[in-house]
Amino acid sequence: DGGITQSPKYLFRKEGQNVTLSCEQNLNHDAMYWYRQDPGQGLRLIYYSQIVNDFQKGDIAEGYSVSREKKESFPLTVTSAQKNPTAFYLCAVRGGAHTEAFFGQGTRLTVV
Amino acid sequence: GNSVTQMEGPVTLSEEAFLTINCTYTATGYPSLFWYVQYPGEGLQLLLKATKADDKGSNKGFEATYRKETTSFHLEKGSVQVSDSAVYFCALSVRTGANNLFFGTGTRLTVIP
Repeated sequence: DGGITQSPKYLFRKEGQNVTLSCEQNLNHDAMYWYRQDPGQGLRLIYYSQIVNDFQKGDIAEGYSVSREKKESFPLTVTSAQKNPTAFYLCAVRGGAHTEAFFGQGTRLTVV
Repeated sequence: GNSVTQMEGPVTLSEEAFLTINCTYTATGYPSLFWYVQYPGEGLQLLLKATKADDKGSNKGFEATYRKETTSFHLEKGSVQVSDSAVYFCALSVRTGANNLFFGTGTRLTVIP
């Protein structure tokens, strides 16, 4: 089945912990994105990657880190430096300029 | 620069009412334009798209026309259903720049029976 898989769907983090959100795709697309969505709000770009072994900061990268070691995978780590991590996190994949983005089902992260 | 401005919500309509959600944009070059829909607790799904001026995107009764002269891509549906209740995002992409995908802030639509 083709598409984008985000896991887990729900994630709980204790104060001071790092957690990693997974995003895997089998669409063979180069560009991958991580967005944060707060209740009732739009999307804010955290990080994006246009190619393997390269990535750039988005608008709200502080407290987050990513890696892009494989074309299929773009994991996002929410570090303890992110003071307000409770949000809905969305991964997206895109084939190229002027093409649409495809989104995963999202991970809801809650700090307990 | 590149940006998308969407009509602020929330929008509440009765079933079978006519829907318009306004979207205007600024862009360097010639963008492609998209409408996405997000149902509660889910990711965004592509609803329709248009890649050049005067193109009309359509899907599931929704339509939007790429108007270069007014830099707009308004979403319309002639008769909404309760199942259309969701958040709608307008977006554009351009060919140049490292980050070339831009979203509006989203418009929440609630359709009541």
